[in-house]
Amino acid sequence: DAGITQSPRHKVTETGTPVTLRCHQTENHRYMYWYRQDPGHGLRLIHYSYGVKDTDKGEVSDGYSVSRSKTEDFLLTLESATSSQTSVYFCAISGVSGVGTDTQYFGPGTRLTVL
Amino acid sequence: EDQVTQSPEALRLQEGESSSLNCSYTVSGLRGLFWYRQDPGKGPEFLFTLYSAGEEKEKERLKATLTKKESFLHITAPKPEDSATYLCAVRENTGNQFYFGTGTSLTVIP
Repeated sequence: DAGITQSPRHKVTETGTPVTLRCHQTENHRYMYWYRQDPGHGLRLIHYSYGVKDTDKGEVSDGYSVSRSKTEDFLLTLESATSSQTSVYFCAISGVSGVGTDTQYFGPGTRLTVL
Repeated sequence: EDQVTQSPEALRLQEGESSSLNCSYTVSGLRGLFWYRQDPGKGPEFLFTLYSAGEEKEKERLKATLTKKESFLHITAPKPEDSATYLCAVRENTGNQFYFGTGTSLTVIP
């Protein structure tokens, strides 16, 4: 998994509770991404980071926030979880520079269920 | 509007029966096209990156090709272990977003 871990791997929570998912990399890659994967929609970008404390929104960012205080960690927070946020969440990283910058490598995923 | 469309949605092949998966895209300027393999319950695994029309990449029984409007993933003499969902993604020249298709679920029957 290219030195990427996600925690927790599974989580069940209730509507209205805050949830934080963690992505940790050991590759020193500059770019980190959070996606959600749902049947019929494919992978959709939530937020991404292009450096420490530098983040930007993706196509489905409503209801999510992110933070990156260290190169190796990228946190995704659901401030008040809703059932529509039940999904599988994947973290990805991409390279430092050059041609390899574009290729994304994915973590193992976190399955989140909001009841 | 969908930037990436994959077909077919599902494909069943006999072991040894070669075939192709299609990925068509509509982005205005292509920076790169990416193929991934995803097994159930796991994250996508990188296969290939293609940057320009006419480019080809190969890995074992897989060969990816690129034109100005689409990419093909050719599978030659597939084996049951090739069964997985194959995802295609594109990145435009501008911005930092990658757009993924919904995938083709491949089943190879022994």
